[in-house]
Amino acid sequence: GESVGLHLPTLSVQEGDNSIINCAYSNSASDYFIWYKQESGKGPQFIIDIRSNMDKRQGQRVTVLLNKTVKHLSLQIAATQPGDSAVYFCAETRGSGNTPLVFGKGTRLSVIA
Amino acid sequence: DAGITQSPRHKVTETGTPVTLRCHQTENHRYMYWYRQDPGHGLRLIHYSYGVKDTDKGEVSDGYSVSRSKTEDFLLTLESATSSQTSVYFCAISESAGELYGYTFGSGTRLTVV
Repeated sequence: GESVGLHLPTLSVQEGDNSIINCAYSNSASDYFIWYKQESGKGPQFIIDIRSNMDKRQGQRVTVLLNKTVKHLSLQIAATQPGDSAVYFCAETRGSGNTPLVFGKGTRLSVIA
Repeated sequence: DAGITQSPRHKVTETGTPVTLRCHQTENHRYMYWYRQDPGHGLRLIHYSYGVKDTDKGEVSDGYSVSRSKTEDFLLTLESATSSQTSVYFCAISESAGELYGYTFGSGTRLTVV
């Protein structure tokens, strides 16, 4: 897999490799984080979420890591497949109260067959 | 997505004309949101609603108004469309603000202002 810098909007990965998509968040009060996947022509779809009382959460082929010290979030995709090609967004909010999600600018993942 | 529909899917309009986009849900969710998506900016919140007739502004609300007279419908109006409002508009719904698996998004409305 290939790590990307925080501000790099695109990531190309060979099929079968692991992908790591990074996100920096700005609000230290944020305590709930979500990763979304958006395929071309569609709305964003939920992938995985994590609360601030955790530093790691695993789903099917995906893992989210949270580092509150440096306000950094990452999404790891294992054994990347062509169907994983999409734009990935992180989103943050304070989980209590009436506070809408704030989205990052997104990273485009391209899987090379 | 199931339970949320946006209309129209595509629209071309002239500068200065009013435009209304509709979001309809069948999930009876309390919260509804309008976001716009532009290259390099990701998704930015325009307005949101936390109940019938209860709305609030987001970070890019200038030039937009909303109305929610029924739980299931959330309307976004551009009173006088400008070219800077050319964008893809997404509606989203959630049961609670931010929590519980986040939002369900509609398929989007592509608006072009010429």
